[in-house]
Amino acid sequence: DVKVTQSSRYLVKRTGEKVFLECVQDMDHENMFWYRQDPGLGLRLIYFSYDVKMKEKGDIPEGYSVSREKKERFSLILESASTNQTSMYLCASSFHRGRIEGGEKLFFGSGTQLSVL
Amino acid sequence: EDQVTQSPEALRLQEGESSSLNCSYTVSGLRGLFWYRQDPGKGPEFLFTLYSAGEEKEKERLKATLTKKESFLHITAPKPEDSATYLCAASNTGNQFYFGTGTSLTVIP
Repeated sequence: DVKVTQSSRYLVKRTGEKVFLECVQDMDHENMFWYRQDPGLGLRLIYFSYDVKMKEKGDIPEGYSVSREKKERFSLILESASTNQTSMYLCASSFHRGRIEGGEKLFFGSGTQLSVL
Repeated sequence: EDQVTQSPEALRLQEGESSSLNCSYTVSGLRGLFWYRQDPGKGPEFLFTLYSAGEEKEKERLKATLTKKESFLHITAPKPEDSATYLCAASNTGNQFYFGTGTSLTVIP
């Protein structure tokens, strides 16, 4: 089974702290994504990456950055955490479009519930 | 504007009471329609992918169907363990995903 592992289930940080959320997948997927999920708003795309050292902004990139130094790892960085970044953060991965096996479905990690105080 | 809308927001069923969840989509160049199950505090778990109108897929008490404008997730004789939030998502030819806000299902014993 595909496994997408997020480093922390729960995090509590202070306003202004730099926060790192780590995500690792073990299925050699090309695509990796970071979403945040808030009640009533659904999943919103923050950043995504289709290849190593490549990144693209999603719908809500402000206040975030990402790093993809290795194919299996995609990190989300909150440069200076703020209270409005309190949320559930979900990492996902998928095969690149055009691959036959597995299709395009997203495989999600267990999520990181981040609280910024 | 591409979007996905799910209804109802919440649904309470008695155990054994069958029902359907709706997912309406307006996505240009639909590439796939996806259903996920999400338990509280956890990430979404993949259930089904549907690719073309008329397609149906089944898994235990769940059956997903697709038309050109909407998808339904039919739940037959649900059990309390089916309680969860069910998410619908659509992807387009640009590989962009659009998620609905989900239907929270509660099955009462």
